[in-house]
Amino acid sequence: EAEVAQSPRYKITEKSQAVAFWCDPISGHATLYWYRQILGQGPELLVQFQDESVVDDSQLPKDRFSAERLKGVDSTLKIQPAELGDSAMYLCASSLVGGSETQYFGPGTRLLVL
Amino acid sequence: GQNIDQPTEMTATEGAIVQINCTYQTSGFNGLFWYQQHAGEAPTFLSYNVLDGLEEKGRFSSFLSRSKGYSYLLLKELQMKDSASYLCAVNGGRRALTFGSGTRLQVQP
Repeated sequence: EAEVAQSPRYKITEKSQAVAFWCDPISGHATLYWYRQILGQGPELLVQFQDESVVDDSQLPKDRFSAERLKGVDSTLKIQPAELGDSAMYLCASSLVGGSETQYFGPGTRLLVL
Repeated sequence: GQNIDQPTEMTATEGAIVQINCTYQTSGFNGLFWYQQHAGEAPTFLSYNVLDGLEEKGRFSSFLSRSKGYSYLLLKELQMKDSASYLCAVNGGRRALTFGSGTRLQVQP
């Protein structure tokens, strides 16, 4: 069964350092999402791609976060500089198209900022 | 804006039935999803409702009333492995999902 791949699974960094997360969606899925999940809360959307284009980054803290999906397949989410409040689970999801299509999640990257 | 409410925690007994409720207020509606999330893991898809009524899938069923902004997830014949968080999520017309904070279910022997 096809799955969404993410790496690394765990990342510990010091504040003010740069971190990057990678996601490879299910093959053929045009829509890719990055969510952030703080412990005890539901996932919150950071950015959504349709192919290589950003369709929603209204909740992305653009002063420190950036995301790209250059060839419309895999994607990278970067934080620079990391802050203590960025400690969370970063989840990538993909779907065939947007809208009511089911989103399938990767295993996530758990980030701890010290 | 969008608001999704679900209970924070629930406890049930192995073999029993439990119902997890979700109420929502959204500016648009294009379907409601339920996901299961074990501690430290990613959410996994359980069910999708876009029309009123009950959708059954094995031990899990999900109900939707669009006029009431209400859904529930029904888990039958509870097993210990069902201990997890259950996330209600709405597609409110925007393309991404808005999630509730999740209901942590503890199944006891």
